[in-house]
Amino acid sequence: DQQVKQNSPSLSVQEGRISILNCDYTNSMFDYFLWYKKYPAEGPTFLISISSIKDKNEDGRFTVFLNKSAKHLSLHIVPSQPGDSAVYFCAASENRGNTPLVFGKGTRLSVIA
Amino acid sequence: SAVISQKPSRDICQRGTSLTIQCQVDSQVTMMFWYRQQPGQSLTLIATANQGSEATYESGFVIDKFPISRPNLTFSTLTVSNLSPEDSSIYLCSVTGIGGYTFGSGTRLTVV
Repeated sequence: DQQVKQNSPSLSVQEGRISILNCDYTNSMFDYFLWYKKYPAEGPTFLISISSIKDKNEDGRFTVFLNKSAKHLSLHIVPSQPGDSAVYFCAASENRGNTPLVFGKGTRLSVIA
Repeated sequence: SAVISQKPSRDICQRGTSLTIQCQVDSQVTMMFWYRQQPGQSLTLIATANQGSEATYESGFVIDKFPISRPNLTFSTLTVSNLSPEDSSIYLCSVTGIGGYTFGSGTRLTVV
């Protein structure tokens, strides 16, 4: 049973446009959500997080939105740049910092110049 | 946040042998996690390793296949035993602390 789902395996966006990556979860105990970027030969790189007490968190070009009632979160990247091309993982935990992360399967983002 | 040194970064191993992966953290951390990422798949938790106690394994992972050592608060090893081609994956360690979750750079294992 997959608790964190990223239903789009890939996404292609033109440079300068908005990239929207989606994530759904089933475990109502999750209270902390993170997005990671990963290149093939590296470990995941933290991008942005959001606590369940918020519905939006912004950091530069990256914004994460959380809709608790729908158990859905999304990552917006504006404007998209070719260097953003990577696999993006959505992750969640039940007790911030005290439990292991549960990951989605990832979405491969390709930003076309 | 903590900095993790993970070794080796990659290895090619023969069937039936074992590989031991090391993670060294630059600060003391209570909880350390080991993940596996099979080709094209998500990161799957193998086990949680706390210092001074036995590792806690997730469903589908057993100690005989994935023995873990956690001798102190800055170091851990994961051994993948009796290797088969199905063990070809990326293995990652992770810690959690004041700075949030941190990951090692991963070990890419290929079993031939």
